[in-house]
Amino acid sequence: DTGVSQNPRHKITKRGQNVTFRCDPISEHNRLYWYRQTLGQGPEFLTYFQNEAQLEKSRLLSDRFSAERPKGSFSTLEIQRTEQGDSAMYLCASSPGLGSYNSPLHFGNGTRLTVT
Amino acid sequence: GESVGLHLPTLSVQEGDNSIINCAYSNSASDYFIWYKQESGKGPQFIIDIRSNMDKRQGQRVTVLLNKTVKHLSLQIAATQPGDSAVYFCAEMRYSGGGADGLTFGKGTHLIIQP
Repeated sequence: DTGVSQNPRHKITKRGQNVTFRCDPISEHNRLYWYRQTLGQGPEFLTYFQNEAQLEKSRLLSDRFSAERPKGSFSTLEIQRTEQGDSAMYLCASSPGLGSYNSPLHFGNGTRLTVT
Repeated sequence: GESVGLHLPTLSVQEGDNSIINCAYSNSASDYFIWYKQESGKGPQFIIDIRSNMDKRQGQRVTVLLNKTVKHLSLQIAATQPGDSAVYFCAEMRYSGGGADGLTFGKGTHLIIQP
């Protein structure tokens, strides 16, 4: 399978704990995006990378959230001191990137986070 | 008691019928649009896209129509099948000088195929 891969698929954590999610994009894709989706809503943009550079962060991304893409391949999203409001599906997507103006984002199947 | 679930517009159609899902977008400068299908527990799956220099595009059993005058998109699914049951989202691409910055999603529509 050469699609976008996300791990873990599900994560249950207690409030106050830190969690980290991983995303492996499609191998030739330069752009990597993180989205959050809550029940009954469409995905909401969090942040994106062009190779290893983080180019934009949404105001939804509080200082408890940090994303990295150290070698321009896989990415991690860490949430510190989790709160119940962080419970959501965290989606990763990738696209070919610069110069590919009309190319859809390809999504993984997400990590479902439940904060108890 | 009251159930808590998806608060999405719902469209229910009979298997074999055609369905039309509508979407309004807000940015008149948007020039690339995508329809995604999302099944329960999965990420959004690309269905079809359209550029603003077109008003219609067809795929296998799907057609997207774009009306730039009223900023409206529609997705037509012909001869619906049980596997078409899902939530459908329209999305518009955002751009900066460096290329595509990502997607802004509309409110989804829950399509239910009745046997």
